[in-house]
Order: sequence, then C-alpha cells, then structure tokens
Amino acid sequence: RKEVEQDPGPFNVPEGATVAFNCTYSNSASQSFFWYRQDCRKEPKLLMSVYSSGNEDGRFTAQLNRASQYISLLIRDSKLSDSATYLCVVTYDYKLSFGAGTTVTVRA
Amino acid sequence: DGGITQSPKYLFRKEGQNVTLSCEQNLNHDAMYWYRQDPGQGLRLIYYSQIVNDFQKGDIAEGYSVSREKKESFPLTVTSAQKNPTAFYLCASSIDPEGLNTEAFFGQGTRLTVV
Repeated sequence: RKEVEQDPGPFNVPEGATVAFNCTYSNSASQSFFWYRQDCRKEPKLLMSVYSSGNEDGRFTAQLNRASQYISLLIRDSKLSDSATYLCVVTYDYKLSFGAGTTVTVRA
Repeated sequence: DGGITQSPKYLFRKEGQNVTLSCEQNLNHDAMYWYRQDPGQGLRLIYYSQIVNDFQKGDIAEGYSVSREKKESFPLTVTSAQKNPTAFYLCASSIDPEGLNTEAFFGQGTRLTVV
C-alpha cells in the first residue's frame, strides 16, 4: 500500500464551480499535512498547511480527519488559474511523503 | 533574492556516464532533499541531509550519491548504476531539519534524459 494515495482525476470543472478531492495516508503516526500545487513541468509550491481543526485560505479549504486518515481540499468559485496538479504531502519523522497528485482543469 | 537554484535545467546523458546535478540555496536552511518525479507518480525521496557533512538514504537511493560539504550546496550524482535515470529531479530545502510544520522550498528542477 502506498503511503499517500490520491485520486489522479482529472477533475474537469467550469469556472465558478466547487471542486473537492481527498488524499488518504497509511501511517497513523503522521505528524504534519500539506497541500502543494504543481503546474505543468514546474516545481511544487506550498498551497497551504492542513491543521486538525481545518483551515481556510481564501477560496481554499483544507480538512484533516485523523480517525479515517484522510485530508481534503475544497476549491470554491474555481478560476482558470486554479488549473494545476495538487499534491498531498504527509510527514513523519524526517520524511515528507508525496501523493501522485490530483489534476484539476478549470474550463471557461 | 533568497532561493534555491538547480542547474542545469535540462541534461542529456549517454549510457554508462555519471552526471552531477547542482543544487544551491541561500536561504540558510539546514535541511536539503533530493526527489525524483516520474510521469503519473508522486515525488520519491532519493537522499536527504539534515546538517553539513551528514546525509541519509531515502527510498530510492540506489544508483545515486550525494555530498554535503557546505550548508548551501547539495549536489546529486546519478551514476551508471542507476538503471532508469530519465526523470525530473527536484531539490528542496527546509529550515526545519525534520521537515515538520515548515514549508519545503523547491528548485526549478532538472530534466535528465538518457540518450
């Protein structure tokens, strides 16, 4: 079983729509959780950290469910510029483990 | 400007050759990492270093070697023992040696192709 698993998508949504997707992790002792964004052929960049109580950053909302071992990302009012691959990152000890990414395409 | 720089952006290697990928950061970060990304897959950890003159193997270290003689520099050598080296290589750094609760900054990556 992979340490971090994501639905690869793609999620094709119209502008203004809401899109949400999850990431599951296998290590119950995982310590920190993040969502990164990666544009085509570019390096990943931090989108947001994920806190136990859930957190929002503008149109983005992240949730953590430790009991079921998943994190989620919700994007409201999608923009064309939100088109990217979203990587789930889970840390344990020294190690950052990355999911394979969920591709989101927002169409006009 | 502070940041993390990888070079070259594109690299072509012949079968049987060793090549070295450069990674330099001026963020004063203690921790540095090398990842490999293949199409449709997540980033896989090759090596990491939490402090100068020390480094540890990641999940896929075979066929790779690193050094950490300076805090700013963490070069990766892809040796001829690496059977499938064509990939996108990403270097990252973090102020937290355990990589927890802090952002990992990435270089722009090096695309290595074996010809």
